[in-house]
Amino acid sequence: QSVLTQPPSVSGAPGQRVTISCTGASSNIGAGYDVHWYQQLPGTAPKLLIYVNSNRPSGVPDRFSGSKSGTSASLAITGLQAEDEAAYYCQSYDSSLSGSVFGGGTKLTVL
Amino acid sequence: EVQLVESGGGLVKPGGSLRLSCEASGFTISGFSLNWVRQAPGKGLEWVSSITGGSNYIHYADSVKGRFTISRDNSKNSLYLQMNSLRAEDTAVYYCARDQGSNPLNGMDVWGQGTTVTVSS
Repeated sequence: QSVLTQPPSVSGAPGQRVTISCTGASSNIGAGYDVHWYQQLPGTAPKLLIYVNSNRPSGVPDRFSGSKSGTSASLAITGLQAEDEAAYYCQSYDSSLSGSVFGGGTKLTVL
Repeated sequence: EVQLVESGGGLVKPGGSLRLSCEASGFTISGFSLNWVRQAPGKGLEWVSSITGGSNYIHYADSVKGRFTISRDNSKNSLYLQMNSLRAEDTAVYYCARDQGSNPLNGMDVWGQGTTVTVSS
C-alpha cells in the first residue's frame, strides 16, 4: 500500500479533460513538501511531467497542469490525446520515513 | 546530452549479492542528489535510496534498509547500489534518477533506462 493514494485508473475521450488525485498525509504533502508528477509510457522510463506542484519542465505541453492544497495534489490533463495514454505517478517527501514516496500510479486510458 | 546509464543487473539466487552502477554523462553529478527507484514487474514505482551531492545525507526505504548500500564517486561521475541478502521481492527494474537540486526535494528530472534484477533460484 502506497503512502500517497492515487486512483488506479481514469479514462476520457479525446479532447476531454481528466484529473488525477494524489492524497497524502501530515507527514508529506500536508507538511508542505512539494509534489511532482511523472508520466511513464509502456516499456519506458518515467519522465518528469510537473515539478514543485505546478511547474512544467521545458517541452511539456501546457495541457498538463498541477496543483496542491492541504494534504492533496492533482494533475489535470486537458485536450486529451491518444499519446497521453500512460501511467502517471505523484511523488513527494515524507518526514516520518525520511525519504521520497510515490503514489501507486494511475493508468490513463484514452477511449 | 544529459544521460544516465545503469548496468550490473542480472539473475541472482536468493541470499546473493549484486552491485549496480549508474554512469552519468553530459553533466557533473557532484551538485545533484541522486536516487535509486525500482519497479517490480507490473507494479508501480518504489523509491529505494537517495544520496546528496556530498554524501552528507543518505536515506533508504525500510524495505531495503540494512541490506542495500548506496554510494557515489563524483570523480568517476557514477552512482552505485550494493545489494546484499537479495530476496525474491527485490526483483525489479532498477532506475537511477537525478534530482533537480542538491537535495531530494525538487523532482527527478533525468532517468536512466533501467537495469533488470531478477532474484530466483
